[in-house]
Amino acid sequence: SQTIHQWPATLVQPVGSPLSLECTVEGTSNPNLYWYRQAAGRGLQLLFYSVGIGQISSEVPQNLSASRPQDRQFILSSKKLLLSDSGFYLCAWSLERRYGYTFGSGTRLTVV
Amino acid sequence: GDSVTQMEGPVTLSEEAFLTINCTYTATGYPSLFWYVQYPGEGLQLLLKATKADDKGSNKGFEATYRKETTSFHLEKGSVQVSDSAVYFCALSASTGGGNKLTFGTGTQLKVEL
Repeated sequence: SQTIHQWPATLVQPVGSPLSLECTVEGTSNPNLYWYRQAAGRGLQLLFYSVGIGQISSEVPQNLSASRPQDRQFILSSKKLLLSDSGFYLCAWSLERRYGYTFGSGTRLTVV
Repeated sequence: GDSVTQMEGPVTLSEEAFLTINCTYTATGYPSLFWYVQYPGEGLQLLLKATKADDKGSNKGFEATYRKETTSFHLEKGSVQVSDSAVYFCALSASTGGGNKLTFGTGTQLKVEL
C-alpha cells in the first residue's frame, strides 16, 4: 500500500533562518507531488507541484522553493524565513485526477 | 479559472442533527469533485468523491451528489456525532491542464455539541 511521510511534525524557527521540509512517498512510482500551505483559520494555498524528477511548477511567487531530487522525494526550502511563512504545510501525492490526493500529516511551522 | 465556493462557518449543530454543507463550483470541462475532512492538528483525509454528473459519493454516513445542472456538490449527513467535528473542504480537479491540480474551497468548520 502507498504511504506518505512528512517531517518534522512541528518546527519553530527564528526569522532569517533556513528551512527544509521533507516529504517521501512509498509504494508508488512517478506520482504527482504537491506542497500546500494553510495559514491559521484559512484555506489551502497550492505552493508547488511536480510531475517528475527535477520538474517543479510554482503557483505563487514567494520566499520558498521546492525540489524533487528523487522520484518519491519532495523538499520545500527557504534560505531566509519570514514571519509570514508561518503556517501548516501539507505535502500530497496523486496519480490520476479521478482519485484525488493523499495528504501527509503536515508540518506546523512557527517563525519567531 | 476554476473555483470552489463553500458556505461560511462555523456550523454548530446538536448531536443527531441533519447536516448540509453547501458547495458550488466553476470549472471548464468535466471536473472530478471531492470532499476532504481535516481533524484538529492533522492533515486532510479524503472523505468521498464523484467523477461524473449524477454520481453520488458516500462514506461514513456522509454523501454528496454531483449536480452538473446546478454546479453543486453539497455534503449531507443524516445524523451527526460529536466525532464529526472537523473542518470540511470541497475541492475539484479540472479535466484540463496538467498536474492533476486540486482547487479547494476555503473550508467549513463543523462543531457538534452534545
